[in-house]
Amino acid sequence: QVQLVESGGGLVKPGESLTLSCSASGFIFSDYYMNWIRQAPGKGLEWISSISSGGSTTFYADSVKGRFTISRDNVKNSLYLLLSSLTVEDTAVYYCAKDAKNWGDYNWFDSWGQGTLVSVSA
Amino acid sequence: EIVMTQSPATLSVSPGESATLSCRASQSVGSNLAWYQQKGGQAPRLLIYGASTRATGIPARFSGSGSGTEFTLTISSLQSEDFAVYYCQQYYNWPPYTFGQGTKLEVK
Repeated sequence: QVQLVESGGGLVKPGESLTLSCSASGFIFSDYYMNWIRQAPGKGLEWISSISSGGSTTFYADSVKGRFTISRDNVKNSLYLLLSSLTVEDTAVYYCAKDAKNWGDYNWFDSWGQGTLVSVSA
Repeated sequence: EIVMTQSPATLSVSPGESATLSCRASQSVGSNLAWYQQKGGQAPRLLIYGASTRATGIPARFSGSGSGTEFTLTISSLQSEDFAVYYCQQYYNWPPYTFGQGTKLEVK
């Protein structure tokens, strides 16, 4: 079965950087787009980034563009998110999620990790 | 950006009764809409995709309907484990993927 396990969260100060990882298993990782979605404390879900199956194409929400970088290693079956220039507004649980299909433009998220908490505070 | 609006924000229903949750898109998304359930401290779980198709393992008491801009998630004969927060999400026009703000389904 599909398993996604995030790691790398923690407490950082404003302006600092952090790298999140998502280890994937149970499916052919290299066939699927992957995504990061975050949830601030007590708030809703916010999509922040996606990456194509081969890693050549990336997409970002305006709120993180220029500060966050998504990448993947299809040999290690891992997804990454580099968070830079962090602000208190970036405090959230960060989830990785898998596209449901390995084809087509219209895709939902069929599997989610358990999330990793990033806290940004002075 | 397509804005998704869910109503009501909180819905109080007794176990055994039915619940109807609404989701509206600011422009047509066709049938490219998903519903997720999130229980406290857990990751979201996919319930419905394509506006009306249940995901694998989702009980038949969950049903989705609608197309274009108006969508509904109906949960019949509510069980204790169904009380949670529900989110709709459009995947028609991205980036960005957008979610509704959520509906909290609570015990009356």
